[in-house]
Amino acid sequence: GEDVEQSLFLSVREGDSSVINCTYTDSSSTYLYWYKQEPGAGLQLLTYIFSNMDMKQDQRLTVLLNKKDKHLSLRIADTQTGDSAIYFCAETYTNAGKSTFGDGTTLTVKP
Amino acid sequence: DTGVSQDPRHKITKRGQNVTFRCDPISEHNRLYWYRQTLGQGPEFLTYFQNEAQLEKSRLLSDRFSAERPKGSFSTLEIQRTEQGDSAMYLCASSLATGGYTFGSGTRLTVV
Repeated sequence: GEDVEQSLFLSVREGDSSVINCTYTDSSSTYLYWYKQEPGAGLQLLTYIFSNMDMKQDQRLTVLLNKKDKHLSLRIADTQTGDSAIYFCAETYTNAGKSTFGDGTTLTVKP
Repeated sequence: DTGVSQDPRHKITKRGQNVTFRCDPISEHNRLYWYRQTLGQGPEFLTYFQNEAQLEKSRLLSDRFSAERPKGSFSTLEIQRTEQGDSAMYLCASSLATGGYTFGSGTRLTVV
């Protein structure tokens, strides 16, 4: 079955790197996504990675995928107070329209 | 294009009443999704459309919920005979056949 797990909270100091982790169970996942949700808002797509990739870098964001362990991580370099939000990991598998989301990691950035 | 629009932003209704929400997706996107989100949880899939065809509906979805996308453009989600457990944020998203979603800001439903 489909299940996506994330740790609930992460707190870092401004300027440090943040690493948010996610594990998933569906080995047929094709796309893995990271979304950001700020208070009172919908989710915003940050980045995604195809299952045939190990790493993707996009400015301050680095996504690492370990398919063997079904582990996905999002690293935010030089974390800023504006990065404080809830981050959701999601997976989609081939021929399925829907994505399965984790319950989110709340990132708090302290000045 | 201003992104995905949802209306209303907030809805308070009495238990037993019917409610209808509207979603206007990004015009070039052929897929449209409805999700529900409660506090402390990730979005939970309800249903999705490709053009006007409803391709999947969650098995957890009560028969009181129905969604339409009559011309493959906007969509409506109706909840009949609302219950307090229906209180949640209802999120609409759209996408192309591949790629991630663009979400709307959601409709917050409170059933009293």
